[in-house]
Parts: sequence; structure tokens; C-alpha cells
Amino acid sequence: QVQLVQSGAEVKKPGSSVKVSCRASGGTFNPYTVTWVRQAPGQGLEWMGRIIPMYGTTKYAQKFQARFTITADASTNTVTMELSGLTFEDTALYYCARIHYSSSVDDWGQGTLVTVSS
Amino acid sequence: DVVLTQSPLSLPVTLGQPASISCRASESLVSSDGGIYLNWFQQRPGQSPRRLIYKVSNWDSGVPDRFSGSGSGTDFTLKISRVEAEDVGVYYCMQSTHWPYTFGQGTKLEIK
Repeated sequence: QVQLVQSGAEVKKPGSSVKVSCRASGGTFNPYTVTWVRQAPGQGLEWMGRIIPMYGTTKYAQKFQARFTITADASTNTVTMELSGLTFEDTALYYCARIHYSSSVDDWGQGTLVTVSS
Repeated sequence: DVVLTQSPLSLPVTLGQPASISCRASESLVSSDGGIYLNWFQQRPGQSPRRLIYKVSNWDSGVPDRFSGSGSGTDFTLKISRVEAEDVGVYYCMQSTHWPYTFGQGTKLEIK
């Protein structure tokens, strides 16, 4: 059973950037996709983007396209997301997930709270 | 973007009774490969989401068979045959047919 371990909580200033990592423990991400989903306080789930670590190919929601980057490092079994130009509205729990949409593969990280505060 | 509209948004249910959640898509979720990539997720209080159902009606590993999914085209349903206390939480439908993938608003299930 693969466990996804995310980096710890972050507090950031408006206009800055944040990086959140997601490491696969007990296995690898391959050949599946790794998706990033966020959840603002008391709100629903929002799909942000995904990477296929095996190929490094990415897809982003247009809403985040200009300031969101996902990368993968096969040597450390880690996927990292970076969100720049932070605003107060980016305060949320950020989740990574290894998901396959045609089979029973669905593993989630514990979530990383990113707080944007002046 | 595909809009998924769930109903109801709040679902009080008596233990042991059935429950049903609807998810309606703004366009057909039939993919070019013929597959329908509609998923259902459960998020218990204070926990990460987990998927229950993929491709409309397929169970994820470990999901009790009291959960079932059905539907086609634009209309989908998640049913719980007999609600148990551990089913409390928020349920989301999510489509992975069209970019960008999108979630419904969520349905909060509580025990009456």
C-alpha cells in the first residue's frame, strides 16, 4: 500500500510563493497520475492540476495556469507543486493524490495547510 | 468547464435507511473512448477524501457494497442502501472526462 506523505504547514505573505511536496512511501507513483486538489476553509474540493511522473507531462486548470507548476523527481519519489502570486484566497488545505480513473487506485496525502497572511 | 450540480446539498438520514445523491453534468461525460469517467468521493470529518466509485459504477477497493453508483450521459446517482454512522461526511461527484476535471459542490450527509 503506497502512502503519500506531504510536507508541513506553511504560512506565507501575499504575493509570495509556496512549495508543497508529496512523497510516495512504500512504492512509487508510476505509472499513475498525481493530482493536486485544494479545499478552502469550510468549502468544497477544487481540482488544480496533475502530472504523470513517468513522463513529466502536466495539465493545469486554467484558473491556475499562469502561477501553478507541478514537477516530479523520480530519484526521490516526490512530486512538488508550487503556487506563486499568493493571495488570501489561496488559504486552503492542499492535497496530493495518486489516482487512476479506470482502476481502483486512489491514494491521498494527509493534506498541507497553506495560510496566506500579512 | 463542465459544471456538476449535486442535489441535495444537505441529506439528513435515519440510521439503517437508504440515501441517494444526484449529480447532473452540464454536458455529456461520455469520452471519445466510450468510457464515462464519473467518480464519487467521500470525505469524512477531518479526513482526506477517498474515492468510492469510479467509471460510474465500479467500486474502489475496500468500499462496502452498500454503496452503489449508476447513471449515464449527464445524470448520475450514488446510493447507500442502509446508512451507517461511519457514512457521515461530505460526498462529491467528480468528472475526469473533460479538461479541466471538476467536482460537484458536495452533499453533506448527517444522521437524523
